[in-house]
Amino acid sequence: NAGVTQTPKFRVLKTGQSMTLLCAQDMNHEYMYWYRQDPGMGLRLIHYSVGEGTTAKGEVPDGYNVSRLKKQNFLLGLESAAPSQTSVYFCASSQSYLAVSTDTQYFGPGTRLTVL
Amino acid sequence: AQSVTQLDSHVSVSEGTPVLLRCNYSSSYSPSLFWYVQHPNKGLQLLLKYTSAATLVKGINGFEAEFKKSETSFHLTKPSAHMSDAAEYFCVVSEAGGFKTIFGAGTRLFVKA
Repeated sequence: NAGVTQTPKFRVLKTGQSMTLLCAQDMNHEYMYWYRQDPGMGLRLIHYSVGEGTTAKGEVPDGYNVSRLKKQNFLLGLESAAPSQTSVYFCASSQSYLAVSTDTQYFGPGTRLTVL
Repeated sequence: AQSVTQLDSHVSVSEGTPVLLRCNYSSSYSPSLFWYVQHPNKGLQLLLKYTSAATLVKGINGFEAEFKKSETSFHLTKPSAHMSDAAEYFCVVSEAGGFKTIFGAGTRLFVKA
């Protein structure tokens, strides 16, 4: 049971390049999330998914796209990277709605992305 | 609207002394509250959570937090700091309705030998 894993761990991009971050969870969780973490700002939700084939925008969705083709995977795409997207990206999963249950989010180890 | 304020960006304590990390929140509804810890270059790990049961919540590694509705606070404490507690701590509030989960900016805890 690996929990939540993220690929890659580090990446450096040039402005305008594209890339995809992969998140995988083996806990059969319904809900998955992508956050970015910037100094002094905590974590901000980019996109989330309530189940296979569904996605929705979070707090800071611009410049990102996501897909959830399989229940265990949640992909985050940057079509044209910008320096403002330099950040640490965290994926998380949970079995149900956080606020209406005693459920918990489980986080991956993060991906450190630098855009030059 | 909900919000979370962690009152200290940095806290420094000596090993063996008490730890207090302060968190105030605002929420229109009965919130769920969480504390997470993040060690360097690691993901976030849940320390404890409050979901309208007992107001004093005990978590892992000797941490606990008390929900005080009148003060809208959820401060994290530990009686005796250990070197391994040095990390960043995040207070999180979540409201009914699904995905309104707000993270505080974080408090970095330093533990001196």
